[in-house]
Amino acid sequence: EVQLVESGGGLVQPGGSLRLSCAASGFTFSNYEMNWVRQAPGKGLEWVSHISSSGTTIYSADSVKGRFTISRDNAKNSVFLQMNSLRAEDTAVYYCARDWGFTDIWGLGTMVVVSS
Amino acid sequence: EIVMTQSPATQSVSPGETATLSCRASQSVSNNLVWYQQKPGQPPRLLIFRTSTRATGVPVRFSGSGSGTEFTLTISSLQSEDFAVYYCQHYNNWPLTFGGGTKVEFK
Repeated sequence: EVQLVESGGGLVQPGGSLRLSCAASGFTFSNYEMNWVRQAPGKGLEWVSHISSSGTTIYSADSVKGRFTISRDNAKNSVFLQMNSLRAEDTAVYYCARDWGFTDIWGLGTMVVVSS
Repeated sequence: EIVMTQSPATQSVSPGETATLSCRASQSVSNNLVWYQQKPGQPPRLLIFRTSTRATGVPVRFSGSGSGTEFTLTISSLQSEDFAVYYCQHYNNWPLTFGGGTKVEFK
């Protein structure tokens, strides 16, 4: 079964950091590009960041550029999102999602709350 | 950045009826458009890719059409499990952007 499982969310103070992880299983992870997408409470979907299958090409939304960094470890079938300088507006469910031109498989998400 | 605009924001439909959801792009995205369904507390589920191709396991009552800047998701003979929020998203270039969503609710 194809599966993505996110972890690492939680409560963090403004200006703090968190590292999200996403463990993939059921498919050849190294063949696929990956995305992080977030959804603020009661709001729509917002694409955050993308990484190529080899990890050499990265794209990020302007709203997180310079603060969030996507990375991957193909040996561990995992993708990560390092989030620094967190703001209240970063509060959201963060989903990792498989990308093969478009996003087809999504994890259940991990909640990040930025609040003092 | 391509802006995706969905209409209406809410559509009230009775079971068995047809729902027609619209999605407009601020510039051409060719046929690089997907539709997702999202139910409360769940991640989005891919319904349609490449404008009109149903994803695996998606019932034939879901159909997509359009090209360029105007797209439509049609849900025929609406079932109870179809009441949800639907999002369109382009994947023509970066950044990926989503529409604001259309909530299909029980009339």
